[in-house]
Amino acid sequence: GAVVSQHPSRVICKSGTSVKIECRSLDFQATTMFWYRQFPKQSLMLMATSNEGSKATYEQGVEKDKFLINHASLTLSTLTVTSAHPEDSSFYICSAIPGTQGPQRGYTFGSGTRLTVV
Amino acid sequence: RKEVEQDPGPFNVPEGATVAFNCTYSNSASQSFFWYRQDCRKEPKLLMSVYSSGNEDGRFTAQLNRASQYISLLIRDSKLSDSATYLCVVNVYNDMRFGAGTRLTVKP
Repeated sequence: GAVVSQHPSRVICKSGTSVKIECRSLDFQATTMFWYRQFPKQSLMLMATSNEGSKATYEQGVEKDKFLINHASLTLSTLTVTSAHPEDSSFYICSAIPGTQGPQRGYTFGSGTRLTVV
Repeated sequence: RKEVEQDPGPFNVPEGATVAFNCTYSNSASQSFFWYRQDCRKEPKLLMSVYSSGNEDGRFTAQLNRASQYISLLIRDSKLSDSATYLCVVNVYNDMRFGAGTRLTVKP
């Protein structure tokens, strides 16, 4: 089945530093990938939609200069949390629609990245 | 009003019990519907899609009522391994919107 690989699974960084999270589709091409954030005991919140070869589309309230998204190839999207602060500590998950099956078949998720900013 | 609403629970049931979760959505243009399962500190995994005619997968039955904008998930003969958070997910124009999830704990 379709696999989305996300790395790293866990990261601890100091306040003020930047962290890059990678999301790769291993056996399919993904022109669109999605980035979510989940705080404890809350639902997944869509942060942005990453489009290969073009600018990402950010949800209202998400700072595009803080959460930099690059989708340089059909199999890789990256999210960089710049100048991280403790309030950015969260579970970040990417997802993609496998192949040509379309959104009616659901998305495949990466395994998530737990970011802790100290 | 939230786009996708679920009873957060928790639902604490004994092994073998039948449990039902409900979900309502606000956007009548929603096109497809899913139940996902999320274990603690893990990514969501697709449990099943939900079709208008209703569908069943083993012990799991999903129902959709478009007129009432309501989705349900029924779990029969609960197992300990069913303990997880169940997310109701609605697709609107290629945007997946998640409910906050319903937490289920199945006890021996």
